[in-house]
Amino acid sequence: QSALTQPASVSGSPGQSITISCTGTNSDIGDYNYVSWYQQYPGKAPKLMIYEVSNRPSGVSNRFSGSKSGNTASLTISGLQVEDEAYYYCSSYLRSSTLAFGGGTKVTVL
Amino acid sequence: EVHLVESGGGLVQPGGSLRLSCAASGFSFSNYHLNWVRQAPGKGLEWVSYISARSEAIYYAHSVRGRFTISRDNAKNSLYLQMNSLRAEDTAVYYCARDGGRGYDMDQWGQGTLVTVSS
Repeated sequence: QSALTQPASVSGSPGQSITISCTGTNSDIGDYNYVSWYQQYPGKAPKLMIYEVSNRPSGVSNRFSGSKSGNTASLTISGLQVEDEAYYYCSSYLRSSTLAFGGGTKVTVL
Repeated sequence: EVHLVESGGGLVQPGGSLRLSCAASGFSFSNYHLNWVRQAPGKGLEWVSYISARSEAIYYAHSVRGRFTISRDNAKNSLYLQMNSLRAEDTAVYYCARDGGRGYDMDQWGQGTLVTVSS
């Protein structure tokens, strides 16, 4: 069981916005701004999409944005496109000097 | 261009050992912290271990502590994971991932190497 909780699936139509939540505790997400988000296509390596809650690495579309409130972080994909269909994982630093990933969310573009 | 190439995976019996390697190129290896992350077939990502740039700080997931050992050789631009007392639940694709140097994010990943623990 993952330390961070994500919905198993989220879906939306092209052009819509969707939000993926990632719920932790006050020992991880609630205590640190070290939340990252990764995109993964089946059979491929993950790709960093967001770091430190809301920052985008160079080259990542500005349709991807991150935020945090309390113990819950969120990834929003606006203007949903077919190529956004993938798995998304959140991660956070934990107070015990370890890292954790969420269980992953499958995004389906209808 | 940054490259991380894992090797050393394969089939091993329960209780056996395996040593994974990750060869890095395209960046100043000795300036970056590194991680091992694994993914069991059909499952999500699981962080395994972290090593700081000069090996001063090393962390492990509870599931592998005492069985796995992370190390690096900055002269050879290489990261290693020594895995002992392997169990069926260690079966996974193992990725090496570079720490982005900001907030424990992983900004570069290898393509992974498959470890299968089975009799």
